Amino acid sequence: EAQVTQNPRYLITVTGKKLTVTCSQNMNHEYMSWYRQDPGLGLRQIYYSMNVEVTDKGDVPEGYKVSRKEKRNFPLILESPSPNQTSLYFCASSSQPTGQGYEQFFGPGTRLTVL
Amino acid sequence: GENVEQHPSTLSVQEGDSAVIKCTYSDSASNYFPWYKQELGKRPQLIIDIRSNVGEKKDQRIAVTLNKTAKHFSLHITETQPEDSAVYFCAALDQTGANNLFFGTGTRLTVIP
Repeated sequence: EAQVTQNPRYLITVTGKKLTVTCSQNMNHEYMSWYRQDPGLGLRQIYYSMNVEVTDKGDVPEGYKVSRKEKRNFPLILESPSPNQTSLYFCASSSQPTGQGYEQFFGPGTRLTVL
Repeated sequence: GENVEQHPSTLSVQEGDSAVIKCTYSDSASNYFPWYKQELGKRPQLIIDIRSNVGEKKDQRIAVTLNKTAKHFSLHITETQPEDSAVYFCAALDQTGANNLFFGTGTRLTVIP
């Protein structure tokens, strides 16, 4: 089954404790992206990747890191989480070519709470 | 980058009535406008999209219209049903070459049986 998976689905942590949210897709998509969803703010892009070893900042990258060592995986790293990073996070992927508006497929979401 | 505004933020309709959600965008170069539906506790899923070379697209009870001159596009749902209750997001594709979508802030649609 074609899908985007994320782990963990729920996470409660404390300020400053490094964490990683994994994202994996099995559709051979080149483009992957991370979003955060907050009430009244919609979906805001954190980072995106157009291909292996190619990543770039989205609208709200502060406090986050990503890596793209393999095509299928795009982990989101919070080196020192803070309470303002409490949010619902979605990973998404789509195929290329760039700019042609291919459908983005979303993962199931990760609800993160930072105390 | 692109800026997408969406209205209304909440919308309640009686079952069987129509619902309309409107979005505006800022970048006249944008040429792809998808709509995503997010049911409670679920992931966003694409329900319909439109490209700038057409003015309207229909898929059963849902339709999207695009006015490139005015830089706005709308989602129309006819004969609404309780299962249409969800949050709907519009989006516009950024044309810098990165295939980035800029989303509106969402509309919570409630269909009252």
